Amino acid sequence: DQQVKQNSPSLSVQEGRISILNCDYTNSMFDYFLWYKKYPAEGPTFLISISSIKDKNEDGRFTVFLNKSAKHLSLHIVPSQPGDSAVYFCAAMRKTGANNLFFGTGTRLTVIP
Amino acid sequence: DAGVIQSPRHEVTEMGQEVTLRCKPISGHDYLFWYRQTMMRGLELLIYFNNNVPIDDSGMPEDRFSAKMPNASFSTLKIQPSEPRDSAVYFCASTPRWKGSSYNEQFFGPGTRLTVL
Repeated sequence: DQQVKQNSPSLSVQEGRISILNCDYTNSMFDYFLWYKKYPAEGPTFLISISSIKDKNEDGRFTVFLNKSAKHLSLHIVPSQPGDSAVYFCAAMRKTGANNLFFGTGTRLTVIP
Repeated sequence: DAGVIQSPRHEVTEMGQEVTLRCKPISGHDYLFWYRQTMMRGLELLIYFNNNVPIDDSGMPEDRFSAKMPNASFSTLKIQPSEPRDSAVYFCASTPRWKGSSYNEQFFGPGTRLTVL
């Protein structure tokens, strides 16, 4: 059963505009939420995270928003750049040890020059 | 540091054959994870080790799958016998000792693309 869901398999955005990637989860016990970025033929790399005690975390062009009541988080990329084109995975974990992550199915972002 | 190393990068085999995937974690990392990526289910955790000891293998799909970590620098994921539905990309990841208060980034290898004909 998927505890982390990304319902949009793909998203296309014009360069310079905002990209918004969405993620929903079902387990209210999750403590951390993360976004990983994956280029073809490479492993996923960590992008940004947010603790469940916060509702926003910003790192440069990337901002993650968390709405605990809706069990929803989103990743905003502003402005979007062609190099941002990749698959983005949403993930969640509990602080019970070992960082075992629950991943979504991913959203393929294409930034059009 | 070379990062997490996986081999082979690509594996094509026939149904019924044994497949062995290999992983070398980042030196000093205490945890090692095996994931499988499919279009339908995204990244699924198969098994993870702490200090070479398997902790949770509940994600291993069936008895045909087995994983070992004989030492801190090497792990294998074996499928015997392999089936076409095992075709996927398999990732290995490692992370340092759990701090208990914050997130420890998982570092992923480049993956092994397995095709079972």
